[in-house]
Amino acid sequence: RKEVEQDPGPFNVPEGATVAFNCTYSNSASQSFFWYRQDCRKEPKLLMSVYSSGNEDGRFTAQLNRASQYISLLIRDSKLSDSATYLCVVNIGSGNNRKLIWGLGTSLAVNP
Amino acid sequence: SQTIHQWPATLVQPVGSPLSLECTVEGTSNPNLYWYRQAAGRGLQLLFYSVGIGQISSEVPQNLSASRPQDRQFILSSKKLLLSDSGFYLCAWSVTDRPWGYTFGSGTRLTVV
Repeated sequence: RKEVEQDPGPFNVPEGATVAFNCTYSNSASQSFFWYRQDCRKEPKLLMSVYSSGNEDGRFTAQLNRASQYISLLIRDSKLSDSATYLCVVNIGSGNNRKLIWGLGTSLAVNP
Repeated sequence: SQTIHQWPATLVQPVGSPLSLECTVEGTSNPNLYWYRQAAGRGLQLLFYSVGIGQISSEVPQNLSASRPQDRQFILSSKKLLLSDSGFYLCAWSVTDRPWGYTFGSGTRLTVV
């Protein structure tokens, strides 16, 4: 089993749709979680951290389920500019022993 | 504010040639620095990380090496490139005492021919 698993997609949705991505992780000692966005041929950029209580940033909502070891990202009212690959990232360890485990990403295409 | 610079943006090199990619960070001190590679259709692979000057940890044995001659400078090198070294190379930095993730440079797209 991969340490971090994501459905590669692609997810093809129309503008205005709501779309959700899930990500599962295998290490129960994982401490923090992130969603990154990567546009084609660009560097990944932090989209949002994922907190235990769940968090929302505009149209984006992230949830964490520690018992089931998955995190989710919900995008409401999709825009064309949301088209990208979304990377799930799990942090194991702390301080100088911190290690990020990266998923392979989920591809999203928002269509007009 | 902190910024990270990485160059060159694109590089085409013949097999067997040397490689030197440079990354610098501004606006912070003693950052953790990382070199990642993203091959076509694959995820981000951590190659090297450094927690201080002269301190390099290697994650994947290969024909690449890294050095950190100054606090905010991180260099990725190879003496002889292989075809399999082609990929998107990303430098990143982080601060250890903060819970959020990494900030990446804009990357170098390396094609070995």
